[in-house]
Amino acid sequence: ELKVEQNPLFLSMQEGKNYTIYCNYSTTSDRLYWYRQDPGKSLESLFVLLSNGAVKQEGRLMASLDTKARLSTLHITAAVHDLSATYFCAVEVPSNSGYALNFGKGTSLLVTP
Amino acid sequence: GAGVSQTPSNKVTEKGKYVELRCDPISGHTALYWYRQSLGQGPEFLIYFQGTGAADDSGLPNDRFFAVRPEGSVSTLKIQRTERGDSAVYLCASSFQGPRRGDTQYFGPGTRLTVL
Repeated sequence: ELKVEQNPLFLSMQEGKNYTIYCNYSTTSDRLYWYRQDPGKSLESLFVLLSNGAVKQEGRLMASLDTKARLSTLHITAAVHDLSATYFCAVEVPSNSGYALNFGKGTSLLVTP
Repeated sequence: GAGVSQTPSNKVTEKGKYVELRCDPISGHTALYWYRQSLGQGPEFLIYFQGTGAADDSGLPNDRFFAVRPEGSVSTLKIQRTERGDSAVYLCASSFQGPRRGDTQYFGPGTRLTVL
């Protein structure tokens, strides 16, 4: 059974600080997605990582994928309050007739002044 | 442009009742997915449609759950004889072509189902 584990599950950090969220998964996959979810809102696509060594950056967020280590990271640089949200990684694996997304439990991020 | 929409946003029902949840995908998207998200968890895959057909329903928990997409656009998730354990947020997503690798899924706001 595929396991997708995010670490940490809860994170409180000060504005201006840097931090990394980790996403480990237990089976072979070279497709990984990061989503953001604000309370009571929809999931918003952040990054799509499609190969080993892929790195993508958008603003203060940078995501990377190491398929050999089965690890993706989401790095936050100089955090600001607007980044407070829950972040999910999702691993794409073959299912009955295509590919299904398997999500981690999410990392709840709170950025404080 | 318009995103994925879901109705109702909230549904409260009594144990044993029947409920229908509706999803309107992004126009032109052929693939439609249903997920269930329990409190403190990530979304859990239920079923995927390619066009009108259910291509993969391996995530449906039991035969009380059923979904249709008769015209290849709007989809309805149907739950019979609801149980308290069915309480969750039901999310719908759509993508342009299907769950091939790298095809981003766009999510709706969800329907919060509460079974009393």
